[in-house]
Amino acid sequence: DSGVTQTPKHLITATGQRVTLRCSPRSGDLSVYWYQQSLDQGLQFLIQYYNGEERAKGNILERFSAQQFPDLHSELNLSSLELGDSALYFCASSPRGTGGGYGYTFGSGTRLTVV
Amino acid sequence: QQQVKQSPQSLIVQKGGISIINCAYENTAFDYFPWYQQFPGKGPALLIAIRPDVSEKKEGRFTISFNKSAKQFSLHIMDSQPGDSATYFCAASMGGATNKLIFGTGTLLAVQP
Repeated sequence: DSGVTQTPKHLITATGQRVTLRCSPRSGDLSVYWYQQSLDQGLQFLIQYYNGEERAKGNILERFSAQQFPDLHSELNLSSLELGDSALYFCASSPRGTGGGYGYTFGSGTRLTVV
Repeated sequence: QQQVKQSPQSLIVQKGGISIINCAYENTAFDYFPWYQQFPGKGPALLIAIRPDVSEKKEGRFTISFNKSAKQFSLHIMDSQPGDSATYFCAASMGGATNKLIFGTGTLLAVQP
């Protein structure tokens, strides 16, 4: 157990629907990162939150949004889902918000299947 | 250019052999280069990392070789074991306002008994 908890583990939904993925960071970590993993593109950075504020944004679609709550858990909202959104979505956490990629701990991911 | 190019996409090695995975980058501002190991159904986990002020780092059977002038780095797994069968990702990051990692596309390693 890495200490980063993601729920649900699996999600099957229809095109056009909206889903919410949840991440609880490791105790003491202030940063949360969301990554999308697909077979042909590896791990793509979506967004980073640090202590409740957005810190960096990557290749995140406008249909996707995220937030980090006061208790530091984070949610990734995916709307108007398309077949191409089917992927593994990983959350990672780290103690720091800046300075270079250190201290990442990943959760076990949420497998999203859009049918 | 914030990309990290990784090769090969997949690799089959015999038990006891050496596994070599290569990565290349363009952005000279990158200053931290970790390798992550991912088993099926699990998230990636940090394996070993290097900063560009050293040319090699070794931890047990795992070695990173770093060539700053060529902007390339590689992971060598000595005496490869079936338990090493996993997907390996190289990554890179730079200091500054965020802590984000840029990942390569991954290498699926199969070590045959």
